[in-house]
Parts: sequence; C-alpha cells; structure tokens
Amino acid sequence: AQSVTQPDIHITVSEGASLELRCNYSYGATPYLFWYVQSPGQGLQLLLKYFSGDTLVQGIKGFEAEFKRSQSSFNLRKPSVHWSDAAEYFCAVVPYSSASKIIFGSGTRLSIRP
Amino acid sequence: EPEVTQTPSHQVTQMGQEVILRCVPISNHLYFYWYRQILGQKVEFLVSFYNNEISEKSEIFDDQFSVERPDGSNFTLKIRSTKLEDSAMYFCASSENQGVREQYFGPGTRLTVT
Repeated sequence: AQSVTQPDIHITVSEGASLELRCNYSYGATPYLFWYVQSPGQGLQLLLKYFSGDTLVQGIKGFEAEFKRSQSSFNLRKPSVHWSDAAEYFCAVVPYSSASKIIFGSGTRLSIRP
Repeated sequence: EPEVTQTPSHQVTQMGQEVILRCVPISNHLYFYWYRQILGQKVEFLVSFYNNEISEKSEIFDDQFSVERPDGSNFTLKIRSTKLEDSAMYFCASSENQGVREQYFGPGTRLTVT
C-alpha cells in the first residue's frame, strides 16, 4: 500500500547537537518529496522539496535532506539545532500519479534540551 | 512575502449548524486546496479546486462538504451540518500551478463543534 512513514514519534536533542529525522515512503514510482514544519499553533511551513536532480537538497533554516532511492528514504538533517527548532516535522509526498494532493506522514515532534 | 490567509482563526459552533471557513489564497495562484488535522493526528487532504471545479477529493469530503470561489480572491469551505468529529484544524493551501506541486499553507482555522 502507498504510504509515508515517520518512525519516530518524538525526538529530544540537546541544543547544538546534530539532528536527523527519518522518513520512508512506499510508492511505485518516486514521488515528489517534501518536509514541512509546524510550530505550536502555527500553520505548515515548507522547509525543502525534492523533485529530481541532486539528491541532497538544501532548505530554509539550515535544514537539508537526502533522497536515497535504494532505501526509499528522504531523511531531514541539521548539523546544529537551535531551541527555536522545537516543532512538529512532517514528511510529505505528492504521488507522481496524483493531480494535487499531498500525503503527509504522521509527524515527528522535536524537543530541544537546553 | 505573499501569504495565504484564513479567517476566522477559531470557530466554535454547535452540532448541526452550518459553518463557512474562509481563505484568501496567494493572488497569482490558480490551484486551491483544503486539508484538515484532527488533534493529535496527521494532516489529511480534503479537496483540490481549479478553474471553478473540484479536481480531486478524498473519501472524507462527502456531501456535507462543499467548496466555492465566490469572487476573485476568496476560497471557502462549507460544512452543512457539523458533527462532533468535524472538530479539527482546517488548512487552506494554494499553488501557482499543478506542475510545481508546491503548496503554500495558511495558518489554519480551528473548528470546535460542541
């Protein structure tokens, strides 16, 4: 079945530490891939996207993500987190076959330890 | 920077009442979407809209829901007879064109049905 999986419900990292949030997808063809962030009480902000080309994509706020076709993964990384990065992070896909709808993962809540 | 806006930010209504959630998409965008997020759950696609027609909808989007672009700027979601389970955050999104598949989200309207 087609799906987007974020295996980590909640992650806590220390401020200044590195971060990696995992995302796996299950689709017949490589979909379009996204990471969104949702701060408490806020809407969804696009961090970065992958459509094709270079498999390492840079986003806003110092985030990057790497597409690995062999692992059907699109993990989000940041070398040094800041307290303001505490939020909910959603991996998302637009299936190649879809006209428009975004399929979201269940989200990973990131907490920052001072 | 242009942004999607939504009103109201919070709507409380009684079960069985009709509600209309309003959105103003980014001005040059042509594709419009509604998503919802029940508390603690993932963001779910409801409907996409283009050229005054629904282009795609989910199983959630039943006869109780309708969308409209009543003028050149607003995009609305109507729920005819609200149920308790309609309580959720509703996000509007817009995109410039289908090919980009990059949707910009509004801050959301929290709907509480009592």
